[in-house]
Amino acid sequence: DAKTTQPPSMDCAEGRAANLPCNHSTISGNEYVYWYRQIHSQGPQYIIHGLKNNETNEMASLIITEDRKSSTLILPHATLRDTAVYYCIVWGSQGNLIFGKGTKLSVKP
Amino acid sequence: SAVISQKPSRDICQRGTSLTIQCQVDSQVTMMFWYRQQPGQSLTLIATANQGSEATYESGFVIDKFPISRPNLTFSTLTVSNMSPEDSSIYLCSVEGLTETQYFGPGTRLLVL
Repeated sequence: DAKTTQPPSMDCAEGRAANLPCNHSTISGNEYVYWYRQIHSQGPQYIIHGLKNNETNEMASLIITEDRKSSTLILPHATLRDTAVYYCIVWGSQGNLIFGKGTKLSVKP
Repeated sequence: SAVISQKPSRDICQRGTSLTIQCQVDSQVTMMFWYRQQPGQSLTLIATANQGSEATYESGFVIDKFPISRPNLTFSTLTVSNMSPEDSSIYLCSVEGLTETQYFGPGTRLLVL
């Protein structure tokens, strides 16, 4: 079973920030938080990952709480092309990526 | 990140036949993975394919149904054998990059009639 809990769906206005939450209360010390997205029937696209510090790249920012039990993916200026299913995954160097149902983000004009 | 291609991108097959899906990576990788995504569902890992050893299958998946080859560090195949309509899915390969991140191919869309 997936180790994460995400809302099934969210809406966001185009140009606004999209904040996607994820709960991972059973995360262990050596496990990272990964975010992927899947745009309709394409292969999942890697977005970002982090251990305990906040991370930022050209696609998004990842904010991890101090106790590491939850995190938020931030798309700073959502566009229509960001409409996708976003998966939050907890993964260590052992074991496999386990995909939950993710959050279906709809960016609306 | 690795660039991954899959062939075919899609196919329509008759029940009882078999289809072999190819996965090609632009760099040498140790770990390759095969996933299935049934309609409207999330991804499920079928097996892990390491070069030079037998594939490791997840619970519910068997080698007779999904034989896998891994002849070198840039290539793998997954065969879906004796297909039934329940095998209609997207089949995805992925590889583990240098930073312990998995990168996915574009997928193969299979419809079994």
